[in-house]
Amino acid sequence: DQQVKQNSPSLSVQEGRISILNCDYTNSMFDYFLWYKKYPAEGPTFLISISSIKDKNEDGRFTVFLNKSAKHLSLHIVPSQPGDSAVYFCAASSTGTASKLTFGTGTRLQVTL
Amino acid sequence: EPEVTQTPSHQVTQMGQEVILRCVPISNHLYFYWYRQILGQKVEFLVSFYNNEISEKSEIFDDQFSVERPDGSNFTLKIRSTKLEDSAMYFCASRYQGPQHFGDGTRLSIL
Repeated sequence: DQQVKQNSPSLSVQEGRISILNCDYTNSMFDYFLWYKKYPAEGPTFLISISSIKDKNEDGRFTVFLNKSAKHLSLHIVPSQPGDSAVYFCAASSTGTASKLTFGTGTRLQVTL
Repeated sequence: EPEVTQTPSHQVTQMGQEVILRCVPISNHLYFYWYRQILGQKVEFLVSFYNNEISEKSEIFDDQFSVERPDGSNFTLKIRSTKLEDSAMYFCASRYQGPQHFGDGTRLSIL
């Protein structure tokens, strides 16, 4: 079941630069998308979300872009900070399914000094 | 900031034994979930719970699994007869209207 895919298992970015994490989905019923950050030995922490009626949502250093025609979303982190080093999960849900989340496999971001 | 708490953080159990994983969701949340993550794999949905009943469950959530909200604060996941393949991190989540908020998980190790 590959309904949500994160094709880059890891990404390394210098401090201060932009980090771009990508996610693709196949299920056209998905209408709500989320990004979670996860540190070792902790649970996923909600970062930012976007509804399918929008194509962009911004919260501080984090911006999520949604391209519905391409079934693609991305998370931009600007500027990247060492504390951003974590595993980032893309997740999706559809209205009427009790909002269960379908997760991608995650991308490990390392922000270097 | 309110958070979802899970106990224990690590549970070691013999195969075939029953195990109960406990969660205290955020107090005003109405929707409750269990997910699991087998080592090296994706986080997978198990079950959702609303208004004192299961609203959706996955294929993984077979007759060996059950959930309960025994009082106004706890939400439990029971596995009746554990198998080796039940070894995983189990995450509880809750939400009100917005995104789901997750606990730090229980690592379940089946010997």
